[in-house]
Amino acid sequence: QQQVKQSPQSLIVQKGGISIINCAYENTAFDYFPWYQQFPGKGPALLIAIRPDVSEKKEGRFTISFNKSAKQFSLHIMDSQPGDSATYFCAAKKAGSARQLTFGSGTQLTVLP
Amino acid sequence: ETGVTQSPTHLIKTRGQQVTLRCSSQSGHNTVSWYQQALGQGPQFIFQYYREEENGRGNFPPRFSGLQFPNYSSELNVNALELDDSALYLCASSLVDSNYGYTFGSGTRLTVV
Repeated sequence: QQQVKQSPQSLIVQKGGISIINCAYENTAFDYFPWYQQFPGKGPALLIAIRPDVSEKKEGRFTISFNKSAKQFSLHIMDSQPGDSATYFCAAKKAGSARQLTFGSGTQLTVLP
Repeated sequence: ETGVTQSPTHLIKTRGQQVTLRCSSQSGHNTVSWYQQALGQGPQFIFQYYREEENGRGNFPPRFSGLQFPNYSSELNVNALELDDSALYLCASSLVDSNYGYTFGSGTRLTVV
């Protein structure tokens, strides 16, 4: 049972463009929503995270938009750069479940120079 | 020493064999979790250890077991290996009461033939 659905599976954008990755969840017990960036041969690295009491969080070129009623959240990468080319995963954590994260299936982002 | 280190980097085993993967947590982190990442998929939670005891487990059979040592290093043991166990195994450490996410290691690539 996939509790966090991520789309698109792959994304190609031009340098300077906006990359948008979407995730939807089913379990209303989730209380923490991080995004991870993974380069080939490396483990995932935390990029940005949000809690459901906030509708938007911005850190540099990365923004999370959160829609609690729709149970959806998205990652926006502004001014996308070739160095942003990586696989991005959304994830969610249940309240009280310590550090157990449920990940989406990933989006492979390619930013063309 | 900072960061999470895992060993070995790559490993090839035969079906039915047993394997032990090792992880050294980031300095100061008291919680360690293990994830399995199949090719092209998001990581899946195996289990988590805190104070040398398992305190959370995902949908993995008992042949997946672990240990956490007093210095917060950890092992993942898998018995009776199956072909489907071929994956990247990720170790992640964190502080149990921290609002920050995991720090992941680069993983061990296990191939079962």
